[in-house]
Amino acid sequence: AQSVTQLGSHVSVSEGALVLLRCNYSSSVPPYLFWYVQYPNQGLQLLLKYTTGATLVKGINGFEAEFKKSETSFHLTKPSAHMSDAAEYFCAVRPPAGNTPLVFGKGTRLSVIA
Amino acid sequence: SQTIHQWPATLVQPVGSPLSLECTVEGTSNPNLYWYRQAAGRGLQLLFYSVGIGQISSEVPQNLSASRPQDRQFILSSKKLLLSDSGFYLCAWSSGSNYGYTFGSGTRLTVV
Repeated sequence: AQSVTQLGSHVSVSEGALVLLRCNYSSSVPPYLFWYVQYPNQGLQLLLKYTTGATLVKGINGFEAEFKKSETSFHLTKPSAHMSDAAEYFCAVRPPAGNTPLVFGKGTRLSVIA
Repeated sequence: SQTIHQWPATLVQPVGSPLSLECTVEGTSNPNLYWYRQAAGRGLQLLFYSVGIGQISSEVPQNLSASRPQDRQFILSSKKLLLSDSGFYLCAWSSGSNYGYTFGSGTRLTVV
């Protein structure tokens, strides 16, 4: 079975500082990996995904993530935090084939301090 | 382009009353459909998913049920709501494992 661990339920950064949200997965095969963002009282929006190919993937709003198989990690980063980045972020994993649903982490709430 | 519609946006229901939440997808055919619940301050809990008409997989035994009467329609129901059914309900669709999910805007359900 696959699982996702997001380290830190709440991360606080200053505006302009580096954003680093951690995600580690457990899977018997290299999975597909996703990051989603959720603003208050809204649905989730896809930030970026890794399926195959380049291990550094770029997403919307200046975010990027790197798939590191040896570390079973898929951490999300952004060089400079914006106030508008304050939201809940979810990492998700699924096997590379079939219709198995995404497994989500518990989420990390990002606060940005002016 | 594909769109997903979920309604109502908010709902306040008394304990013991029935529930029906509807989700429809436009602009695609044979989508995989999902219902998730998000309780206050908690992550996403998968409730049901469907890979085709009449095909429903239940992830968590509870007093909720789901149906897929048409290809692009997914309905979440309950005959008698419990206080513990309160939460934020999200519908989502995908077209295959290579793709992520597209989520609806959610329904905030409060059972009183």
